[in-house]
Amino acid sequence: KQEVTQIPAALSVPEGENLVLNCSFTDSAIYNLQWFRQDPGKGLTSLLLIQSSQREQTSGRLNASLDKSSGRSTLYIAASQPGDSATYLCAVRGYQKVTFGTGTKLQVIP
Amino acid sequence: GAVVSQHPSRVICKSGTSVKIECRSLDFQATTMFWYRQFPKKSLMLMATSNEGSKATYEQGVEKDKFLINHASLTLSTLTVTSAHPEDSSFYICSARTDGGEQYFGPGTRLTVT
Repeated sequence: KQEVTQIPAALSVPEGENLVLNCSFTDSAIYNLQWFRQDPGKGLTSLLLIQSSQREQTSGRLNASLDKSSGRSTLYIAASQPGDSATYLCAVRGYQKVTFGTGTKLQVIP
Repeated sequence: GAVVSQHPSRVICKSGTSVKIECRSLDFQATTMFWYRQFPKKSLMLMATSNEGSKATYEQGVEKDKFLINHASLTLSTLTVTSAHPEDSSFYICSARTDGGEQYFGPGTRLTVT
């Protein structure tokens, strides 16, 4: 059974700081890994999708890496802004289903 | 990117009534859609996998007679919560999968049962 863990559960940083969110998974037999953000009371917004054959993906200030063999992914946010405040979820897609992590709640302080 | 819509975004219903939530893929066809539920401060949990033209596959512990799923077309799946109870109050999210394997998520529906 796939288990996905995100550390830390909550993070508070001053504006402008670079930060890293971590996602680890127990079963390396994955199809892809996706990072989402969720604003309070809202649905999910897809940020980055990494296929199992890829090592990283970049979009603007976001960079996500994937090390399938060690069961880890990181989401790097450069020059954080207050608008980045949200809960960040990683989701690992196996060959049958998607398993979500518990999320990291990020607060960027102006 | 592809767009998935959900309707309604919020619904309040009384105990014992049924409520239907629609999930639509707006610009692509999805043979497979998924329904998730999110408990407060918890991760999203997969409830069921919905396949167009066939019966949904429910995860262990999910009551199929309570959560009725119908994937009537390649762009529409519905989740009906029957005989709703306050403990069914939750945030329900659907997703639709493209032929390429990417999943796109709807904005979610907040259900409150009074």
